[in-house]
Amino acid sequence: NAGVTQTPKFQVLKTGQSMTLQCAQDMNHEYMSWYRQDPGMGLRLIHYSVGAGITDQGEVPNGYNVSRSTTEDFPLRLLSAAPSQTSVYFCASSPHSGTSGGAYEQFFGPGTRLTVL
Amino acid sequence: LAKTTQPISMDSYEGQEVNITCSHNNIATNDYITWYQQFPSQGPRFIIQGYKTKVTNEVASLFIPADRKSSTLSLPRVSLSDTAVYYCLVRGSARQLTFGSGTQLTVLP
Repeated sequence: NAGVTQTPKFQVLKTGQSMTLQCAQDMNHEYMSWYRQDPGMGLRLIHYSVGAGITDQGEVPNGYNVSRSTTEDFPLRLLSAAPSQTSVYFCASSPHSGTSGGAYEQFFGPGTRLTVL
Repeated sequence: LAKTTQPISMDSYEGQEVNITCSHNNIATNDYITWYQQFPSQGPRFIIQGYKTKVTNEVASLFIPADRKSSTLSLPRVSLSDTAVYYCLVRGSARQLTFGSGTQLTVLP
């Protein structure tokens, strides 16, 4: 299994441009999520999905859209890039969302380093 | 969601046991405590999870007192490769993981 894959690894955008960060997992996991990590900081949750067709907002959703048309893919769209969105973006997946309590192990991708000029 | 507090940084020497304590005063009844490790330029990696008392795996031990308001991650005989940021998370049924700033552990030779 490849696990969680993310593309691209690096990206430079100009302010106002849009782009999609790709995330895919081959473990048939129900739960997928996107985080951003700013320098010297912890991860902050942007959006998450508990299954195909279901998405919800996390802690910092503004400026980002997501969709989950298949179990495997969970792309993150930047609608109009801003310098404040310069960050490292991590996608993660987990077998379940843990709705009845408990935290299932999350598997993280290698990250996408995004710079917005 | 319960907030966690942990030391910003810790130093240790190779071969020593390292204990990192996390405070989570507002932990809810159905919350579990999970620890992740993150190396530079990599995504976090799951280390251990527990609900109460003690949990041990091949990498670490997790000690949780009866009131569950804190927890301690114990790394036995650390090596240079254990230098990383360690995150303590508390999560219940909210479907969200909240990462704090973590603890930067530096293992010295």
